Amino acid sequence: SYVLTQPPSVSVAPGQTARITCGGNSIGSKSVHWYQQKPGQAPVLVIFYDSDRPSGIPERFSGSNSGNTATLTISRVEAGDEADYYCQVWDSISDVVFGGGTNLTVL
Amino acid sequence: EVQLVQSGAEVRKAGESLTISCKVSGYSFTSHWISWVRHMPGKGLEWIGRIDPTDSYTNYSPSFQGHVTISSDKSFSTAYLQWSSLRASDTAMYYCARQQELKVGAALDYWGQGTLVTVSS
Repeated sequence: SYVLTQPPSVSVAPGQTARITCGGNSIGSKSVHWYQQKPGQAPVLVIFYDSDRPSGIPERFSGSNSGNTATLTISRVEAGDEADYYCQVWDSISDVVFGGGTNLTVL
Repeated sequence: EVQLVQSGAEVRKAGESLTISCKVSGYSFTSHWISWVRHMPGKGLEWIGRIDPTDSYTNYSPSFQGHVTISSDKSFSTAYLQWSSLRASDTAMYYCARQQELKVGAALDYWGQGTLVTVSS
């Protein structure tokens, strides 16, 4: 089965840039989606097809994908960005696959 | 406005059956596949399976195949997730989510608010 690996936690000071990685075998050949989930809330799509932003998502959120790593970048981090972030891909054998999630802490 | 509204929290005993629902509005029910996702306490998101509301064709994750059943009713624009025999390990929050496009690989762009299922042993 296809496995996506995320760091369990990332910490960043307000105003700085957070980078959350998602590792997978040749993930660069797949389309990666990213979700934000705040405590007690449903997940929200923040990046789709590697780097597209849904309407309503701030431009501070961006994504990239190459080789074996996809990255979600959050610029000028705010306290309200504290959440769990999940990457997700579709694999021809495993179908929908989520990463284990990364907890973003704003110091 | 696109909305996915799920049924309320449920408490059951192990071995009992249960069906939870996801009623959609704001778009044509048959224009988007619906997926179900499990979120166990303190764990990550897990994909359970999906349904094409047009013809009720389903796909399941091997981890859930045979333990749950996904169905839909076009008349009510509603998708369902069903268990015939619950286990304590089914205790979790369950989300329905709309697939953005009618193709594999598309993102899940709208999500229900979640249904908390608690199963006691």
